[in-house]
Amino acid sequence: EIVLTQSPGTLSLSPGEGATLSCRASQSVSSTYLAWYQQKPGQAPRLLIYGISSRATGIPDRFSGSGSGTDFTLTISRLEPEDFAVYYCQQYGSSPWTFGQGTKVEIK
Amino acid sequence: QVQLVQSGAEVKQPGASVKVSCRTSGYTFTDYTLHWVRQAPGQRLEWMGWINAGNADTGYSQQFQGRVTITRDTSASTAYMELGSLRSEDTAVYFCARDAHYGSGVYNYFDLWGQGTLVTVSS
Repeated sequence: EIVLTQSPGTLSLSPGEGATLSCRASQSVSSTYLAWYQQKPGQAPRLLIYGISSRATGIPDRFSGSGSGTDFTLTISRLEPEDFAVYYCQQYGSSPWTFGQGTKVEIK
Repeated sequence: QVQLVQSGAEVKQPGASVKVSCRTSGYTFTDYTLHWVRQAPGQRLEWMGWINAGNADTGYSQQFQGRVTITRDTSASTAYMELGSLRSEDTAVYFCARDAHYGSGVYNYFDLWGQGTLVTVSS
C-alpha cells in the first residue's frame, strides 16, 4: 500500500498570500495518478486537481498542481477567504487507492 | 441537479451490521462507477470499495474484504454499502463518491460526493 505523507500539517496564512502544500509518496505513483481535494468542516471533499496538474471543472486557475514520482505539490497562488480548508492528496495508480492525512490551511 | 444523497446517521452496537444508501439523481445511474470512502474522527480518508452501477461488478479494499458488501438497485438509482461485524474503530463518516470516468472503465478518483453518513458504533 502506498502511504502518502502531507506537509505541513497546518499552514497559517493571510488572504492574498500564496500557499504551497506538499504530498510525498512512500513509493513512486504510477503514471500521473495523483489528485487533490479540498474539504471544509461538515462537508464532503471536493475534487480540485487530477492527473497531477489538471484542474477539475469549475476550479479557478489560482489552484495548480505539479510533481512526479514521489513528490507532489499543490499551489494556491493567492488565497481567497473561501480557500481556508483542509486539503488531501490521493493516489489512484495502485490499489488500494490511498489518501494523505491532510494539510489544514487556516487564517493567520 | 447532479447529486448523491445518502441516508441518515446510524448508531449500532458492536458486532452488528449497518447498511448505508446513496441515491443518485441528475445523471444516468448506470453510466458511472460508485465508490465508498470513510473518514474516522481525525483520520485520513480510507477507500473501501467500488461498484460498477451498470453491470454490478464490485471490488473491495483488502482491509475490508469479507466485511463489506456493495450493491445497487438500478430501478432506484441507488447504491448501498453494508459493513458487518462492526467495532468501535468503524465509527466514521461514510461517503459515496462517483468515479470521474464516464462509461465503462474507471479512473479511481472522484468528481462527485454524497454528503456523508455518520455511523457510530457504541455499546
